[in-house]
Amino acid sequence: QLQESGPGLVKPSETLSLTCSASGGSISNKNFYWGWIRQAPGTGLEWIGSIFYSGSTYYNPSLKRRVTIFVDTSKNQFSLKLTSVTAADTAVYYCARRSSPALWYFDLWGRGALVTVSS
Amino acid sequence: SYVVTQPPSVSVAPGKTATISCGGDNIGSKSVHWYQQKPGQAPVLVIYYDTERPSGIPERFSGSNSEDTATLTISRVEAGDEADYYCQTWDSRTDRVVFGGGTKVTVL
Repeated sequence: QLQESGPGLVKPSETLSLTCSASGGSISNKNFYWGWIRQAPGTGLEWIGSIFYSGSTYYNPSLKRRVTIFVDTSKNQFSLKLTSVTAADTAVYYCARRSSPALWYFDLWGRGALVTVSS
Repeated sequence: SYVVTQPPSVSVAPGKTATISCGGDNIGSKSVHWYQQKPGQAPVLVIYYDTERPSGIPERFSGSNSEDTATLTISRVEAGDEADYYCQTWDSRTDRVVFGGGTKVTVL
């Protein structure tokens, strides 16, 4: 299972920080990539980025300047930081797992965490 | 960047067949995956690698992919199939995951 955690309210221009805890399996599994996907209210899914346990990352080019994803294998967690947030970053943020070594699809998702950007 | 296009909505009567398209330039050369999302819930993978069903997904869900269109087909539609459906692929030119805009399936 995956579980997102972090503040539900962030002020404009500040940094959004979320953590995803993985239970029932190791985040260091060499077959898995881990990712963040978000969904603004009433809209579709937007991929933010993904990370391998070794630390190698892929980021959405449209967010790359503001995004950092990193892994803490000692805690079996991975995290998202999104800087300089605006109201447009208000969304439900999902963490997810890619378990195929060759194909980019997400077979396990967290329940999602709503983050509102507002002063 | 690569763009995939879905119809905003599809309506279908119970027991009938729903088809949801996912259009993109030569999308048949890519692997396409499909997710079902019910209100207030996280997405669930229903088809991967164009045609494969994860365990626990009913056989009523099937997929195909050729040329410029990938398709999700739901046979013998039930009320519980009412949801948003998203196609997704990988753009190897820009190394990014791409989602379609989603299709809302309404069961009449």
